[in-house]
Amino acid sequence: DGGITQSPKYLFRKEGQNVTLSCEQNLNHDAMYWYRQDPGQGLRLIYYSQIVNDFQKGDIAEGYSVSREKKESFPLTVTSAQKNPTAFYLCASSIGAGPSGELFFGEGSRLTVL
Amino acid sequence: AQSVTQPDIHITVSEGASLELRCNYSYGATPYLFWYVQSPGQGLQLLLKYFSGDTLVQGIKGFEAEFKRSQSSFNLRKPSVHWSDAAEYFCAVAGPGGYNKLIFGAGTRLAVHP
Repeated sequence: DGGITQSPKYLFRKEGQNVTLSCEQNLNHDAMYWYRQDPGQGLRLIYYSQIVNDFQKGDIAEGYSVSREKKESFPLTVTSAQKNPTAFYLCASSIGAGPSGELFFGEGSRLTVL
Repeated sequence: AQSVTQPDIHITVSEGASLELRCNYSYGATPYLFWYVQSPGQGLQLLLKYFSGDTLVQGIKGFEAEFKRSQSSFNLRKPSVHWSDAAEYFCAVAGPGGYNKLIFGAGTRLAVHP
């Protein structure tokens, strides 16, 4: 079945460590996104990529980095510069930037900083 | 700036009762509006979307939503709630960057009493 796979599902990190969250999709979608979800705040866009080897900052990109070397993969690195990294991270993809409007989401990765 | 407000953080209804979840948006042009549902610990699934045309849109799982430009609202409704509808519901509007750069509301958590 086609879909989006995020790993790991749960991750614990010590302060000062970088951590990379994996996101892989087999939907052949051009666009991919990373959102952060905090209780009571909805989802906020971290980074997005419309095509391979190109990505743009979202609303809360500070302390995060991404790469898009392959169409199906869009890993997110949470760096030690991110002041409050404990959150639920969601990866999504869409066919493109056209009017379909539908984002397909993975099941998320929960990061806890100890 | 574009924004989405979901006034109700938590709603509890009895199984079989009707449901209305409120969503108000702020957007300068014709909005593209969405409702997503999230089960605990999962990603989001698109329920329905409005781009143009008929202001009453039908979605999956028996949900519908009505776009009211005069009230800047896009409320989600269901005539008879099932226990499996217990989840968190997010309203979203397409932001200035394009159709798929969504701005989400903070969410409404729905509990269903048997």
